[in-house]
Amino acid sequence: GAVVSQHPSRVICKSGTSVKIECRSLDFQATTMFWYRQFPKQSLMLMATSNEGSKATYEQGVEKDKFLINHASLTLSTLTVTSAHPEDSSFYICSARDLLSGGPDTQYFGPGTRLTVL
Amino acid sequence: DAKTTQPPSMDCAEGRAANLPCNHSTISGNEYVYWYRQIHSQGPQYIIHGLKNNETNEMASLIITEDRKSSTLILPHATLRDTAVYYCIARLKTSYDKVIFGPGTSLSVIP
Repeated sequence: GAVVSQHPSRVICKSGTSVKIECRSLDFQATTMFWYRQFPKQSLMLMATSNEGSKATYEQGVEKDKFLINHASLTLSTLTVTSAHPEDSSFYICSARDLLSGGPDTQYFGPGTRLTVL
Repeated sequence: DAKTTQPPSMDCAEGRAANLPCNHSTISGNEYVYWYRQIHSQGPQYIIHGLKNNETNEMASLIITEDRKSSTLILPHATLRDTAVYYCIARLKTSYDKVIFGPGTSLSVIP
């Protein structure tokens, strides 16, 4: 199946700094990517839908000014956590939809990024 | 998307079949049943999906009741590597659909 990568896989930062997480579709084009957050022992929570060339659509309760999303190309979306605080520590996962695939489920998930804010 | 209900946890002996149930009594006629799983600290992995017929692939089998109100994911010979959280999701197979995850079933495969 198609591959989605995330970078970095793990990041530790100080409170107040900004952190950028990259999500790449390695062998397919994705007009739409999704960003999820997962706290320990909880399910994935959808944060936003990232559309190539347009503004992201955020889920209710997610601050768009804090979680900046940029989807500048068909293979790359970035999530920037601005002014990170300890409560932002979480597992961030992206997924990408294969634009051209006519197969069953064309949404592929990245391996996740573990963010720890000290 | 229709609401789905799964047991929070299950155990299964290694080598035995793991049968994971899912209730989706309000599923609409054009909503598919999808199964994903998430191994600890990894991204979710697609397993299988179906509309009304039973489906089988190299990973699992999906049995959907005739009234489509429930389904069962079957891992025929569970291994320790199948220990994961399994998510049952009912959704439309349309463009730009987003996957909304419920709490899922935590499956523990025991040696």
